[in-house]
Amino acid sequence: QKEVEQNSGPLSVPEGAIASLNCTYSDRVSQSFFWYRQYSGKSPELIMSIYSNGDKEDGRFTAQLNKASQYVSLLIRDSQPSDSATYLCAVKETGGFKTIFGAGTRLFVKA
Amino acid sequence: GAVVSQHPSRVICKSGTSVKIECRSLDFQATTMFWYRQFPKQSLMLMATSNEGSKATYEQGVEKDKFLINHASLTLSTLTVTSAHPEDSSFYICSARWGLGENTQYFGPGTRLTVL
Repeated sequence: QKEVEQNSGPLSVPEGAIASLNCTYSDRVSQSFFWYRQYSGKSPELIMSIYSNGDKEDGRFTAQLNKASQYVSLLIRDSQPSDSATYLCAVKETGGFKTIFGAGTRLFVKA
Repeated sequence: GAVVSQHPSRVICKSGTSVKIECRSLDFQATTMFWYRQFPKQSLMLMATSNEGSKATYEQGVEKDKFLINHASLTLSTLTVTSAHPEDSSFYICSARWGLGENTQYFGPGTRLTVL
Protein backbone atom coordinates (compact mmCIF):
# COMPACT_ATOMS: atom_id res chain seq x y z
CA GLN A 1 0.00 0.00 0.00
CA LYS A 2 1.40 3.33 -1.04
CA GLU A 3 2.13 5.64 1.88
CA VAL A 4 3.22 9.17 2.58
CA GLU A 5 4.75 9.65 6.00
CA GLN A 6 5.13 12.87 7.95
CA ASN A 7 6.03 13.66 11.53
CA SER A 8 2.80 14.90 13.08
CA GLY A 9 4.62 17.41 15.26
CA PRO A 10 3.95 19.89 16.56
CA LEU A 11 7.07 21.56 15.31
CA SER A 12 7.73 24.77 17.18
CA VAL A 13 10.15 27.40 15.91
CA PRO A 14 10.77 31.01 16.94
CA GLU A 15 9.79 33.83 14.64
CA GLY A 16 12.48 34.50 12.05
CA ALA A 17 13.91 30.98 12.18
CA ILE A 18 13.93 28.36 9.45
CA ALA A 19 11.24 25.71 9.73
CA SER A 20 12.09 22.36 8.16
CA LEU A 21 9.30 19.95 7.31
CA ASN A 22 10.02 16.44 6.10
CA CYS A 23 8.14 13.79 4.19
CA THR A 24 8.93 10.29 2.92
CA TYR A 25 6.98 8.24 0.43
CA SER A 26 6.90 4.58 -0.43
CA ASP A 27 6.09 4.54 -4.16
CA ARG A 28 9.50 4.69 -5.81
CA VAL A 29 8.14 5.69 -9.21
CA SER A 30 6.08 8.67 -8.02
CA GLN A 31 6.71 11.72 -10.17
CA SER A 32 4.81 14.65 -8.69
CA PHE A 33 5.14 16.07 -5.21
CA PHE A 34 3.23 18.83 -3.47
CA TRP A 35 3.15 20.79 -0.26
CA TYR A 36 -0.15 22.18 0.98
CA ARG A 37 -0.81 24.48 3.91
CA GLN A 38 -4.00 24.03 5.88
CA TYR A 39 -5.21 26.42 8.53
CA SER A 40 -7.54 25.09 11.18
CA GLY A 41 -11.06 24.72 9.83
CA LYS A 42 -10.01 25.61 6.29
CA SER A 43 -9.25 23.57 3.21
CA PRO A 44 -5.69 22.96 1.97
CA GLU A 45 -3.91 25.58 -0.09
CA LEU A 46 -1.19 24.64 -2.55
CA ILE A 47 2.19 26.14 -1.66
CA MET A 48 4.69 24.30 -3.81
CA SER A 49 4.91 21.59 -6.41
CA ILE A 50 8.13 19.88 -7.41
CA TYR A 51 8.82 17.25 -10.04
CA SER A 52 12.62 17.05 -10.40
CA ASN A 53 15.42 16.23 -8.01
CA GLY A 54 16.96 19.21 -6.29
CA ASP A 55 15.65 22.44 -4.87
CA LYS A 56 12.83 24.69 -5.97
CA GLU A 57 12.49 28.11 -4.40
CA ASP A 58 9.47 30.39 -4.25
CA GLY A 59 9.79 33.37 -1.96
CA ARG A 60 10.41 32.17 1.57
CA PHE A 61 9.61 28.58 0.64
CA THR A 62 12.04 25.99 -0.72
CA ALA A 63 11.01 22.48 -1.66
CA GLN A 64 13.70 19.82 -1.84
CA LEU A 65 13.28 16.50 -3.60
CA ASN A 66 15.50 13.44 -3.45
CA LYS A 67 13.94 10.61 -5.41
CA ALA A 68 16.72 8.16 -4.61
CA SER A 69 15.98 8.54 -0.92
CA GLN A 70 12.22 8.95 -1.53
CA TYR A 71 12.29 12.11 0.48
CA VAL A 72 10.78 15.55 -0.01
CA SER A 73 11.09 18.49 2.33
CA LEU A 74 9.84 22.02 2.72
CA LEU A 75 11.92 24.82 4.21
CA ILE A 76 10.29 28.02 5.37
CA ARG A 77 12.74 30.86 5.87
CA ASP A 78 12.10 33.81 8.15
CA SER A 79 9.15 32.00 9.71
CA GLN A 80 6.23 34.19 10.71
CA PRO A 81 3.42 33.53 13.19
CA SER A 82 1.07 33.50 10.20
CA ASP A 83 2.91 30.42 8.95
CA SER A 84 1.48 28.48 11.89
CA ALA A 85 -0.64 25.79 10.25
CA THR A 86 -0.65 22.13 9.30
CA TYR A 87 1.50 21.32 6.28
CA LEU A 88 0.43 18.40 4.13
CA CYS A 89 2.80 16.52 1.88
CA ALA A 90 1.19 14.94 -1.16
CA VAL A 91 2.42 12.56 -3.82
CA LYS A 92 0.71 11.83 -7.10
CA GLU A 93 0.66 8.32 -8.44
CA THR A 94 2.49 7.85 -11.70
CA GLY A 95 -0.02 7.56 -14.50
CA GLY A 96 -2.90 7.64 -12.08
CA PHE A 97 -5.56 10.06 -10.99
CA LYS A 98 -5.04 9.94 -7.26
CA THR A 99 -2.91 12.08 -5.01
CA ILE A 100 -1.91 10.49 -1.72
CA PHE A 101 -1.69 12.82 1.29
CA GLY A 102 0.37 12.52 4.40
CA ALA A 103 -1.22 13.11 7.78
CA GLY A 104 0.39 16.55 8.02
CA THR A 105 2.83 18.28 10.33
CA ARG A 106 1.59 20.99 12.66
CA LEU A 107 3.87 23.99 12.74
CA PHE A 108 3.83 26.66 15.46
CA VAL A 109 5.83 29.83 14.95
CA LYS A 110 6.29 31.66 18.24
CA ALA A 111 6.33 35.44 18.19
CA GLY B 1 -4.70 29.97 -8.80
CA ALA B 2 -7.87 28.26 -9.92
CA VAL B 3 -11.05 28.85 -7.94
CA VAL B 4 -13.22 26.07 -6.61
CA SER B 5 -16.34 26.81 -4.61
CA GLN B 6 -18.46 24.66 -2.35
CA HIS B 7 -21.97 25.12 -1.09
CA PRO B 8 -23.06 25.09 1.64
CA SER B 9 -20.07 25.93 3.80
CA ARG B 10 -21.77 24.58 6.88
CA VAL B 11 -24.81 22.38 7.40
CA ILE B 12 -26.50 20.93 10.44
CA CYS B 13 -29.09 18.24 9.90
CA LYS B 14 -31.05 15.63 11.80
CA SER B 15 -30.09 11.99 11.72
CA GLY B 16 -31.72 10.16 8.82
CA THR B 17 -31.91 13.10 6.45
CA SER B 18 -29.96 13.53 3.23
CA VAL B 19 -27.59 16.37 2.54
CA LYS B 20 -26.34 17.56 -0.84
CA ILE B 21 -23.03 19.38 -1.21
CA GLU B 22 -22.15 21.18 -4.43
CA CYS B 23 -18.68 21.72 -5.79
CA ARG B 24 -18.06 24.11 -8.66
CA SER B 25 -14.98 25.06 -10.62
CA LEU B 26 -15.47 28.75 -11.32
CA ASP B 27 -12.85 29.62 -13.88
CA PHE B 28 -11.89 26.35 -15.53
CA GLN B 29 -13.37 23.12 -16.75
CA ALA B 30 -12.69 20.30 -14.32
CA THR B 31 -12.35 16.97 -16.05
CA THR B 32 -11.71 15.31 -12.73
CA MET B 33 -13.11 16.08 -9.30
CA PHE B 34 -12.21 14.48 -6.01
CA TRP B 35 -14.16 14.25 -2.80
CA TYR B 36 -12.34 14.05 0.51
CA ARG B 37 -13.41 13.70 4.10
CA GLN B 38 -11.37 14.98 7.00
CA PHE B 39 -12.02 14.19 10.63
CA PRO B 40 -10.59 16.50 13.32
CA LYS B 41 -6.80 16.47 13.48
CA GLN B 42 -6.60 13.82 10.77
CA SER B 43 -5.47 14.00 7.20
CA LEU B 44 -7.55 14.06 4.08
CA MET B 45 -9.15 10.78 3.18
CA LEU B 46 -10.07 10.36 -0.46
CA MET B 47 -13.62 9.13 -0.81
CA ALA B 48 -14.07 9.05 -4.54
CA THR B 49 -12.85 10.31 -7.87
CA SER B 50 -15.29 11.43 -10.51
CA ASN B 51 -14.85 12.24 -14.16
CA GLU B 52 -17.42 14.26 -16.04
CA GLY B 53 -20.10 12.10 -17.58
CA SER B 54 -19.02 8.83 -16.01
CA LYS B 55 -19.62 7.00 -12.77
CA ALA B 56 -17.49 7.88 -9.79
CA THR B 57 -14.74 5.56 -8.61
CA TYR B 58 -15.03 4.99 -4.89
CA GLU B 59 -12.20 4.18 -2.53
CA GLN B 60 -12.25 0.96 -0.59
CA GLY B 61 -14.54 1.17 2.39
CA VAL B 62 -16.64 4.05 1.06
CA GLU B 63 -20.26 3.08 0.47
CA LYS B 64 -21.33 4.29 -2.95
CA ASP B 65 -25.02 3.97 -2.10
CA LYS B 66 -24.56 6.21 0.91
CA PHE B 67 -22.34 8.81 -0.71
CA LEU B 68 -23.87 9.57 -4.08
CA ILE B 69 -21.68 11.50 -6.48
CA ASN B 70 -22.87 13.16 -9.65
CA HIS B 71 -20.46 14.90 -11.99
CA ALA B 72 -23.02 16.25 -14.41
CA SER B 73 -20.91 18.89 -16.10
CA LEU B 74 -17.34 20.06 -16.40
CA THR B 75 -17.94 22.67 -13.70
CA LEU B 76 -20.21 20.93 -11.22
CA SER B 77 -20.03 17.85 -9.03
CA THR B 78 -22.36 17.01 -6.18
CA LEU B 79 -21.98 14.76 -3.18
CA THR B 80 -25.15 13.59 -1.46
CA VAL B 81 -24.86 12.02 1.95
CA THR B 82 -27.94 9.84 2.21
CA SER B 83 -29.56 8.97 5.53
CA ALA B 84 -26.88 10.81 7.42
CA HIS B 85 -25.88 9.68 10.89
CA PRO B 86 -23.79 11.39 13.59
CA GLU B 87 -20.71 9.40 12.54
CA ASP B 88 -20.94 11.09 9.13
CA SER B 89 -20.22 14.43 10.77
CA SER B 90 -17.02 15.63 9.19
CA PHE B 91 -15.36 18.21 6.99
CA TYR B 92 -16.05 17.38 3.34
CA ILE B 93 -13.71 18.91 0.79
CA CYS B 94 -13.86 18.73 -2.96
CA SER B 95 -10.96 19.23 -5.29
CA ALA B 96 -10.81 19.79 -9.01
CA ARG B 97 -8.25 19.25 -11.71
CA TRP B 98 -8.30 20.17 -15.36
CA GLY B 99 -6.82 18.06 -18.11
CA LEU B 100 -5.63 14.51 -17.93
CA GLY B 101 -2.00 15.58 -17.86
CA GLU B 102 -2.45 18.20 -15.19
CA ASN B 103 -0.76 17.38 -11.92
CA THR B 104 -2.12 20.18 -9.79
CA GLN B 105 -5.44 20.06 -8.07
CA TYR B 106 -7.18 22.88 -6.27
CA PHE B 107 -9.41 22.55 -3.27
CA GLY B 108 -12.76 24.00 -2.46
CA PRO B 109 -13.26 25.73 0.90
CA GLY B 110 -14.90 22.68 2.43
CA THR B 111 -18.28 21.92 3.95
CA ARG B 112 -18.67 21.28 7.66
CA LEU B 113 -21.42 18.69 8.18
CA THR B 114 -22.87 18.14 11.61
CA VAL B 115 -25.46 15.41 12.03
CA LEU B 116 -27.45 15.60 15.23
